[in-house]
Amino acid sequence: AQKVTQAQTEISVVEKEDVTLDCVYETRDTTYYLFWYKQPPSGELVFLIRRNSFDEQNEISGRYSWNFQKSTSSFNFTITASQVVDSAVYFCALRGSARQLTFGSGTQLTVLP
Amino acid sequence: NAGVTQTPKFQVLKTGQSMTLQCAQDMNHEYMSWYRQDPGMGLRLIHYSVGAGITDQGEVPNGYNVSRSTTEDFPLRLLSAAPSQTSVYFCASSEGQVHQPQHFGDGTRLSIL
Repeated sequence: AQKVTQAQTEISVVEKEDVTLDCVYETRDTTYYLFWYKQPPSGELVFLIRRNSFDEQNEISGRYSWNFQKSTSSFNFTITASQVVDSAVYFCALRGSARQLTFGSGTQLTVLP
Repeated sequence: NAGVTQTPKFQVLKTGQSMTLQCAQDMNHEYMSWYRQDPGMGLRLIHYSVGAGITDQGEVPNGYNVSRSTTEDFPLRLLSAAPSQTSVYFCASSEGQVHQPQHFGDGTRLSIL
């Protein structure tokens, strides 16, 4: 069985602050993929990034960055200089050999002007 | 390119009624799945399919049936709706490989009275 834990239910920051969303996972698979999705207030689910279990290189894309640490089973997501438009629910998810995607419970991020 | 299309977007049912949520994708994806999203619980897998004619149960399959007669379509049936099935339902599709991200429809908001 696989499990994804997002311990932060809600986070509120003021615009331009940096914010990190935590994700911890459990799996017995040696090959697996981790994903982050964004769900804005409009409700659709938007794919942000994918990481495989063999690639621990951190990634930066504009104001977004991801820190994957296999030793701690974590895949954290940082938004630098947050903006009001970043307000959304963010989901971390895991997909292993069974191809089923397991989601965390999500973190509601509110960026205040 | 429509992607994943779900119909209807909203539906209100009475307890005991039956209905089918439609899902269609035009990307020739092998893998399709249905999730339900409830507050504080993230998205939970109901049923999934790895190809036409093949379906399997996810985490919360009770009360739901699926079929996959074509690659494009993956309908979800509620045989006898219960208030506990009030939720937002998402259909998703992806290519068959584990590393492929899933593409989600816009969701169906279902209320059971």
